[in-house]
Amino acid sequence: DVKVTQSSRYLVKRTGEKVFLECVQDMDHENMFWYRQDPGLGLRLIYFSYDVKMKEKGDIPEGYSVSREKKERFSLILESASTNQTSMYLCASTPHWGSTDTQYFGPGTRLTVL
Amino acid sequence: QKEVEQDPGPLSVPEGAIVSLNCTYSNSAFQYFMWYRQYSRKGPELLMYTYSSGNKEDGRFTAQVDKSSKYISLFIRDSQPSDSATYLCAMIGGGSQGNLIFGKGTKLSVKP
Repeated sequence: DVKVTQSSRYLVKRTGEKVFLECVQDMDHENMFWYRQDPGLGLRLIYFSYDVKMKEKGDIPEGYSVSREKKERFSLILESASTNQTSMYLCASTPHWGSTDTQYFGPGTRLTVL
Repeated sequence: QKEVEQDPGPLSVPEGAIVSLNCTYSNSAFQYFMWYRQYSRKGPELLMYTYSSGNKEDGRFTAQVDKSSKYISLFIRDSQPSDSATYLCAMIGGGSQGNLIFGKGTKLSVKP
């Protein structure tokens, strides 16, 4: 079974702090994705990566950056957290670029920015 | 017009009822259609996966795709309280290059 893990289930940070969210997948998937999920807005793509050190902006990249130094690990970084970044953050992965395979999701990190 | 429209609900049904969940979409290039189930405070998990038009059945779940109407459905027979969750439709194809387009999800509650 594919396993996607996220470093924290719940996180509370203060405005202006730098926040790191880590995602690890154990199935050698090429593609990894970061979404945020908010009530009434559904899932919105922040960034995705189709290879090590490669990244592409999604629909809402502002205020975020990402890092993919190893194939299995995709990090989401909030350079200076703001209250409007309070959300559920979901990581996902798929095997190949352009793949029609479904995305496998991690359990999510619920981030609260005070 | 948003690419994928899904009624957010909430939808409340008694145990044993047949549930119908639906999404409409605008991009005729979509070819692969998925349904995800998401329990409260958990990540989405894949429930059903269909290609192009037609039906697919898996136990109590049936997924239908009508590409001519740009309409997909998920039916749940003999619904159980454990089916209470948010159901998200998702689709891919036609240049989206691996990016799924999601509906906003329908929250379902099955009352015992």
